[in-house]
Amino acid sequence: DVKVTQSSRYLVKRTGEKVFLECVQDMDHENMFWYRQDPGLGLRLIYFSYDVKMKEKGDIPEGYSVSREKKERFSLILESASTNQTSMYLCASSLTFRDTQYFGPGTRLTVL
Amino acid sequence: ELKVEQNPLFLSMQEGKNYTIYCNYSTTSDRLYWYRQDPGKSLESLFVLLSNGAVKQEGRLMASLDTKARLSTLHITAAVHDLSATYFCAVVLSSGSRLTFGEGTQLTVNP
Repeated sequence: DVKVTQSSRYLVKRTGEKVFLECVQDMDHENMFWYRQDPGLGLRLIYFSYDVKMKEKGDIPEGYSVSREKKERFSLILESASTNQTSMYLCASSLTFRDTQYFGPGTRLTVL
Repeated sequence: ELKVEQNPLFLSMQEGKNYTIYCNYSTTSDRLYWYRQDPGKSLESLFVLLSNGAVKQEGRLMASLDTKARLSTLHITAAVHDLSATYFCAVVLSSGSRLTFGEGTQLTVNP
């Protein structure tokens, strides 16, 4: 079974802090994705990566950056957290772009 | 721009009843996914539909795809409480690299 894990289930940070969210997959998938999920707005793609050190912006990249130094690990970075980044963050991975995406358990981030 | 619309967004039904969730999308695609999300949990893959006329069934859920009408349906047969969840459809463009999700349908099955 595909396993996607995320470093924290719940996280509370203060405005202005630098925040790291980590995602690890164990199935040698090429592609990894970061989404945020907000009530009434559904899932929105922040960034995705199709190879080590390769990344592309999604629909809402502002205020975020990503890092993929190893194939199995994809990190989302909030350079200076703001209250409007309070959300549920979901990581996913897929073998190719046309394969099913498998999601991690999510990180609920609260920025105070 | 690909748009994916689900309806209804909220569905409250009684156990034992049948109902259908609809997923419409705006641009040609040959691949559609259905996911389930329980409250506070992540998304779980239910079905992937790969071609026109595709039908997949798992227990009380059956999904179908009509690529000409750009429509997928998720049919619930004899609903039970355990099916209460939010259901998302998601579409990838034939030439695309990302999924576009519908808004989700929040299903509540009442005893």
